[in-house]
Amino acid sequence: QSVLTQPPSVSAAPGQKVTISCSGSSSNIGNNYVSWYQQLPGTAPKLLIYENNKRPSGIPDQFSGSKSGTSATLGITGLQTGDEADYYCGTWDSSLSAYVFGTGTKVTVL
Amino acid sequence: QVQLVESGGGVVQPGRSLRLSCAASGFTLSSYGMHWVRQAPGKGLEWVAVTWYDGSNKYYADSVKGRFTISRDNSKNTLYLQMNSLRAEDTAIYYCGRDETTGVLHIDYWGQGTLVTVSS
Repeated sequence: QSVLTQPPSVSAAPGQKVTISCSGSSSNIGNNYVSWYQQLPGTAPKLLIYENNKRPSGIPDQFSGSKSGTSATLGITGLQTGDEADYYCGTWDSSLSAYVFGTGTKVTVL
Repeated sequence: QVQLVESGGGVVQPGRSLRLSCAASGFTLSSYGMHWVRQAPGKGLEWVAVTWYDGSNKYYADSVKGRFTISRDNSKNTLYLQMNSLRAEDTAIYYCGRDETTGVLHIDYWGQGTLVTVSS
């Protein structure tokens, strides 16, 4: 049972934008950096966003991240079929002394 | 380039033990924290454990505390996960991952995973 809550699924037409929320608490998101991971079907996860809003080299600017209080948001613009994947937020939880992942969100391109 | 290759997975009976390995290359293992993360069939990611760059600090998920042990041999560029008293609910793909720091911040590189099936 994850301490970070995400919507199970979001969808939009090609070219449109989707946002994925990640809700936590002061012991995790509220006081630590948030990362986002993309997991394409049948593959290992990949780092998409780190330190709330930074993109690793090679990640296009169609992906963006933000954080406010105890919640974080991943945005994906210009949606493509290749973006269909599961997306997870992650952060350190200072109370649990554990890294925690969100429940995961499946993105579908209509 | 950074590469992480897990091995040691397989089918094991409940109550038995298994040791996973993660061979690292393309970077200096002794400079980074390292994680194990698992994913049960059809389920989300579950963090398992982390070890600091020098092994000085180790943390575990409650679900594996007391049964699993994370360790590393920096001289062999290898990370390990010793899994004892295995249960059916430990069935999952196990991924090793490199943290971008000496401790815990985020996982910047992931291996391809090794499947562990706990079944009689």
